Amino acid sequence: EIVLTQSPATLSVSPGERGTLSCRASQSVGSKLAWYQHKAGQAPRLLIYGASTRDTDIAARFSGSGSGTEFTLTISSLQSEDFAVYYCQQYNNWPALTFGGGTKVEI
Amino acid sequence: QVQLVQSGAEVKKPGASVKVSCKASGYTFTNYPISWVRQAPGQGLEWMGWISTYNGNTNYAQKLQGRVTMTTDTSTSTGYMELRSLRSDDTAMYYCARDRGDLLSDFWGQGTLVTVSS
Repeated sequence: EIVLTQSPATLSVSPGERGTLSCRASQSVGSKLAWYQHKAGQAPRLLIYGASTRDTDIAARFSGSGSGTEFTLTISSLQSEDFAVYYCQQYNNWPALTFGGGTKVEI
Repeated sequence: QVQLVQSGAEVKKPGASVKVSCKASGYTFTNYPISWVRQAPGQGLEWMGWISTYNGNTNYAQKLQGRVTMTTDTSTSTGYMELRSLRSDDTAMYYCARDRGDLLSDFWGQGTLVTVSS
């Protein structure tokens, strides 16, 4: 099983600031890495797939980068609606998909 | 519009089974597989498995093998996830999600809370 380690566990930022979230894989997943946003009481939402491609209607302030074992999600200027938990997911190792432990982005 | 509507909350005793349903609408059910994901209280997301709505093929997370069964009823566009021999650490919110074809989930159900308690 590929283990995804996200850091930091909690990211405290102010609105308008830049947020940088990391995801490290225990072995290479190529570019098959996605990012989901999860708000309390809601279903998760796909933000980024293929490590760097924004999904439909996702704001341009969200960007993803990386390949192999090191990945980053950057939120260029945090808006109030961006405070949530963010998960990375690898889909390279089928049928053993895995999620990271999550990063909580808080004010 | 695409919707996945799950069955209501369940309370079960240890050792019992639970079956959660996921009714899809707004798209051709057999064109998209269904994935199941759960989240225990205070924990992260856990992928449980996947079922092809086209031919019923399944793939399950290794830790759940032998306890989980995923099925579909194409006549009602409904997916089902049954978990047996429930333990307290199975207490979680269970989500179904539509696999858009590349193993990624684009539409999700609202979640079903399963509580396992004696």
